[in-house]
Amino acid sequence: DAGVIQSPRHEVTEMGQEVTLRCKPISGHNSLFWYRQTMMRGLELLIYFNNNVPIDDSGMPEDRFSAKMPNASFSTLKIQPSEPRDSAVYFCASSPGQYLAEKLFFGSGTQLSVL
Amino acid sequence: KQEVTQIPAALSVPEGENLVLNCSFTDSAIYNLQWFRQDPGKGLTSLLLIQSSQREQTSGRLNASLDKSSGRSTLYIAASQPGDSATYLCAVGDQTGANNLFFGTGTRLTVIP
Repeated sequence: DAGVIQSPRHEVTEMGQEVTLRCKPISGHNSLFWYRQTMMRGLELLIYFNNNVPIDDSGMPEDRFSAKMPNASFSTLKIQPSEPRDSAVYFCASSPGQYLAEKLFFGSGTQLSVL
Repeated sequence: KQEVTQIPAALSVPEGENLVLNCSFTDSAIYNLQWFRQDPGKGLTSLLLIQSSQREQTSGRLNASLDKSSGRSTLYIAASQPGDSATYLCAVGDQTGANNLFFGTGTRLTVIP
């Protein structure tokens, strides 16, 4: 298996632009998670899905962030409009289990820079 | 809210040394505890997962222990190698609904050849 695949690896955009991050989880995994990592705040859970249904989005910073999982093999995280404080590494992870605290498999991340 | 602390933030050791990384957490009612490795510019790789009913897990040169009563876990790395250089993070699974995972800020390990 190729593991969790994220695209793009790097994204540089200007403030106010829309940004879409993509994730393909490991085939057969039931749960998908979006994390954000910064030096100041470490790893933060943004949202997670179980069987394509959003279970907990309490970590989404504000309405500018939205996430979808239209099918078991694809998810997007969208930021509109983007702001410089959104600059971070965004990770997608998947898990074969139902709960967040199961073994997680992470993608390589998307490094987002908002100028 | 569960708070997870990892000390030290950075550690340098010569190749071949055995070493211990520490993780402490404030609420002992946990679901499980995981140790991850993160290489620069990469995602996290799960190394070991200890269920709340277990005391330790081993994989190769790695051994992770869990003491819930004292709120501590250690990751023991035997005969360290330069390839072990990375940031190591622990993450505690919350027992309430098993749907919260709290990460520490990590220990950056450098193994000097």
